[in-house]
Amino acid sequence: SAVISQKPSRDICQRGTSLTIQCQVDSQVTMMFWYRQQPGQSLTLIATANQGSEATYESGFVIDKFPISRPNLTFSTLTVSNMSPEDSSIYLCSAQGDATTGELFFGEGSRLTVL
Amino acid sequence: KNEVEQSPQNLTAQEGEFITINCSYSVGISALHWLQQHPGGGIVSLFMLSSGKKKHGRLIATINIQEKHSSLHITASHPRDSAVYICAVRPETSGSRLTFGEGTQLTVNP
Repeated sequence: SAVISQKPSRDICQRGTSLTIQCQVDSQVTMMFWYRQQPGQSLTLIATANQGSEATYESGFVIDKFPISRPNLTFSTLTVSNMSPEDSSIYLCSAQGDATTGELFFGEGSRLTVL
Repeated sequence: KNEVEQSPQNLTAQEGEFITINCSYSVGISALHWLQQHPGGGIVSLFMLSSGKKKHGRLIATINIQEKHSSLHITASHPRDSAVYICAVRPETSGSRLTFGEGTQLTVNP
């Protein structure tokens, strides 16, 4: 199994600023994902973080707004840029372990409030 | 219609009761996951299923591929089981992407 450390766990930010969320996995994983969960809703995939190359974004999400880095197999960051109150959500990092098992691991989430 | 439907949306039980949460999906899948989300937001993966049944402690998960249906059972429920339970499927055509149900809010009262 893998343990994911995500930080910050929560933050309150001002409109127009940017925040970077970090995700550290305690073992090498093949796939890492970033999700957004808006209040009262289920998870929405923002992008797949690809090691050593640009992230793959889902429809409705763009790199300028949500730049993602993944410099190695255990670490990724998501930046929420030029924030507005609509960006207030929980942001979750997830990893998939061995491709054979497909087991999933999640971080504790980063609860972001934009004023 | 969502590709993944969960029922019920909300469930309140008394401690000790047997609980069932259902998940129906409309596409061919390679795997189905049951997830548990606590009020703080963190998510724990409970089960990954592609066929049959799995058991872990008081939790049992079953899947019927032909009927495109899965159930999560909790025996001897306890207040610490209170959480949102989410069903997520990996469609055969989606690679690693998951499709999530809306979740079931479970509250177990002492």
